[in-house]
Amino acid sequence: NAGVTQTPKFQVLKTGQSMTLQCAQDMNHNSMYWYRQDPGMGLRLIYYSASEGTTDKGEVPNGYNVSRLNKREFSLRLESAAPSQTSVYFCASSSGRDQPQHFGDGTRLSIL
Amino acid sequence: SQKIEQNSEALNIQEGKTATLTCNYTNYSPAYLQWYRQDPGRGPVFLLLIRENEKEKRKERLKVTFDTTLKQSLFHITASQPADSATYLCALDSDYKLSFGAGTTVTVRA
Repeated sequence: NAGVTQTPKFQVLKTGQSMTLQCAQDMNHNSMYWYRQDPGMGLRLIYYSASEGTTDKGEVPNGYNVSRLNKREFSLRLESAAPSQTSVYFCASSSGRDQPQHFGDGTRLSIL
Repeated sequence: SQKIEQNSEALNIQEGKTATLTCNYTNYSPAYLQWYRQDPGRGPVFLLLIRENEKEKRKERLKVTFDTTLKQSLFHITASQPADSATYLCALDSDYKLSFGAGTTVTVRA
């Protein structure tokens, strides 16, 4: 029973490189989310997908794109990485708006 | 502007005591509020959800209150144990999404 699986767990990039963070959930949840977490700040929503086939911007979408590949998978892409995108990225899923969110263990991304 | 504020200082308490964490918010009208626990290097784990029409919710040694007039939630851990040491996050419903506070780190001394 894996829950939410994120890959990779760690990554170092150079400025300007591109990268896709992968997320998959096995709980048959409709909604999926991408957050970033920086020291001293709360989780900030980057993008979310309320249901398969839809995606919407969150609080901090600039520099990112997402794809809801199917009901299970939701990927986050950095087209041209910048040092300001150094962060820990969390993927989460939920069965609905007022339901608990289930989180993966994060991808720790450093951009030099 | 919208703001969510949790205890600015970390909380250090003796085993067996009650830890009380605060979550204050400004310019939100949440229909519900959630609390999560986060251990170092791990993702947050859901603990409790309380709705705007509920004053109090309990789960084992955990208790949450929600005062929409004061715009505040209190999170209590009773009979605390060293295993309760973690960072606790409050999260508010905001237009069908969650907005998170920065968290309060709790350390329980044996």
